[in-house]
Amino acid sequence: AQTVTQSQPEMSVQEAETVTLSCTYDTSESNYYLFWYKQPPSRQMILVIRQEAYKQQNATENRFSVNFQKAAKSFSLKISDSQLGDTAMYFCALSTGNQFYFGTGTSLTVIP
Amino acid sequence: ETGVTQTPRHLVMGMTNKKSLKCEQHLGHNAMYWYKQSAKKPLELMFVYSLEERVENNSVPSRFSPECPNSSHLFLHLHTLQPEDSALYLCASSQAWGDPSYNEQFFGPGTRLTVL
Repeated sequence: AQTVTQSQPEMSVQEAETVTLSCTYDTSESNYYLFWYKQPPSRQMILVIRQEAYKQQNATENRFSVNFQKAAKSFSLKISDSQLGDTAMYFCALSTGNQFYFGTGTSLTVIP
Repeated sequence: ETGVTQTPRHLVMGMTNKKSLKCEQHLGHNAMYWYKQSAKKPLELMFVYSLEERVENNSVPSRFSPECPNSSHLFLHLHTLQPEDSALYLCASSQAWGDPSYNEQFFGPGTRLTVL
């Protein structure tokens, strides 16, 4: 069975600082993708970043980057230079092709 | 309209009512999904349609009935719901189903459902 675990229900960070959100997963599949999604309050869920399991290089998208540790089955999200607009729920997700698995989310608050 | 749209955005219904949620995707995708989002729980994948055929039904009660008349539209018909069915219902689409490189989810804004 596939699982995705986010052990930090809530986090906060000062504006302009860096924060890391944790995610661990479990799968027996060799071909899978990992994602971080962002859901701002009362707004649409959008993709932040994606990582292909067969790529060793960590994905980056502007201020967002991941630390993908395949052997440890860890997939953390680092947000640099945090902005007020980063306040949201962040969901880690695993895709194995026939299913999509989400974690319970981390609520991030950026403090001015 | 762009992306994935959902109507209505908010719905309050009694346990004996019948209502429908509508989803439309404007991305040319071939797969569409219904998810249930409840507080403190992971998103629950309810139904998957690929090229208008249902390919996944994850043990969802029969009081939820999906319909996919074409690859752009998806409905969720609701009848005799329970208060515990109150949640945010999200629709999503992806390029394809079955290959993880093509099933990145694009979400709609959701319908906030309250069952009294």
